Amino acid sequence: AQSVTQPDIHITVSEGASLELRCNYSYGATPYLFWYVQSPGQGLQLLLKYFSGDTLVQGIKGFEAEFKRSQSSFNLRKPSVHWSDAAEYFCAVGAGIRTYKYIFGTGTRLKVLA
Amino acid sequence: GAVVSQHPSWVICKSGTSVKIECRSLDFQATTMFWYRQFPKQSLMLMATSNEGSKATYEQGVEKDKFLINHASLTLSTLTVTSAHPEDSSFYICSVRAGTGQETQYFGPGTRLLVL
Repeated sequence: AQSVTQPDIHITVSEGASLELRCNYSYGATPYLFWYVQSPGQGLQLLLKYFSGDTLVQGIKGFEAEFKRSQSSFNLRKPSVHWSDAAEYFCAVGAGIRTYKYIFGTGTRLKVLA
Repeated sequence: GAVVSQHPSWVICKSGTSVKIECRSLDFQATTMFWYRQFPKQSLMLMATSNEGSKATYEQGVEKDKFLINHASLTLSTLTVTSAHPEDSSFYICSVRAGTGQETQYFGPGTRLLVL
């Protein structure tokens, strides 16, 4: 069965430091992969997605993610974190052709220290 | 990306009453919408898939008579929580699938429901 694991429940970084949020998935075929960000009390905003092609994907707000098939990972990175990046980050995998459903990870809460 | 709105953004109701939440796709026609609920500090749980012009498909464990979904047009889906109870208090979020063959979902801002 498909699944998504975000091993880190909480991460704290200093402003200006680099960031990497981990995401591992279990899926039988080539997955559709997504990263979303959720600010408190808000809906989810799409940061980036991977369907095929170049395994390094650029997103909004300076984020990027790299798909590594051999490691079943899709880690999110940002070279320099801003205080406004503090939020909850969700990794998701498309659950199957034509179902269009997502399976979400449990989320990683990012705290940014000034 | 697509613009999705939800109304109301928050609602407080008495136990036993019904509450309707609207999800609108503002800038394109959405044949498929999804309804999620999210408990505090938890991930999103898919409740149902809403298909325009047909019955919604509910996830296992979700009571279809409790959570009524209507997708009467390509821009509007509604979720009605019938006979709400305090345990139904949650954050309800809808999303729309971005067009035919597109896997990407765009999410609404959510509706916070508090049942007293």
